[in-house]
Amino acid sequence: RKEVEQDPGPFNVPEGATVAFNCTYSNSASQSFFWYRQDCRKEPKLLMSVYSSGNEDGRFTAQLNRASQYISLLIRDSKLSDSATYLCVVSYTGGFKTIFGAGTRLFVKA
Amino acid sequence: DTEVTQTPKHLVMGMTNKKSLKCEQHMGHRAMYWYKQKAKKPPELMFVYSYEKLSINESVPSRFSPECPNSSLLNLHLHALQPEDSALYLCASSQDLRSVFYEQYFGPGTRLTVT
Repeated sequence: RKEVEQDPGPFNVPEGATVAFNCTYSNSASQSFFWYRQDCRKEPKLLMSVYSSGNEDGRFTAQLNRASQYISLLIRDSKLSDSATYLCVVSYTGGFKTIFGAGTRLFVKA
Repeated sequence: DTEVTQTPKHLVMGMTNKKSLKCEQHMGHRAMYWYKQKAKKPPELMFVYSYEKLSINESVPSRFSPECPNSSLLNLHLHALQPEDSALYLCASSQDLRSVFYEQYFGPGTRLTVT
């Protein structure tokens, strides 16, 4: 089993749709969680950190469920510019180890 | 300014060549990382430096040799690479690893082709 697993893609949604991605992690020692987006042939860019209480940034909402060991990302009112690969990232405090999920591809269509 | 720079952007090298990739950040970050990313795959961690000391080597072959001359610079020396080493090499930096949250900021990467 992979340490970090994400929903298989691709997700094809119309503009204005709400889309949710899930990510599960296997190591209960995981401490920090992030969502990155990566455009084709570009570097990953931080979208948001995921806090225990959940957090929101405009159209994006991230949630963490430590008991079930998953994190989620909700995108509301999808834009064409949201088309990208969304990467779930898990880090271990003090261990310096960072693991990326395989990524979920999102296509937003007009 | 959350900028990490990498040079060169593209590199083509033969299997007998020696080359170096360079990474620089001026955000005062004390942790720096090298990742390798193959097409349609996520980044894979190679090395982590914390306070200019190597903290993690993810069993990377010795033909890859990292170096951290100071807190702002990170190099990756390449020697006797194989064609399967062709990939995008990404550098990242973050604040002190002892912080609870240490978001990593990535450079644009060096696209390496080994012929």
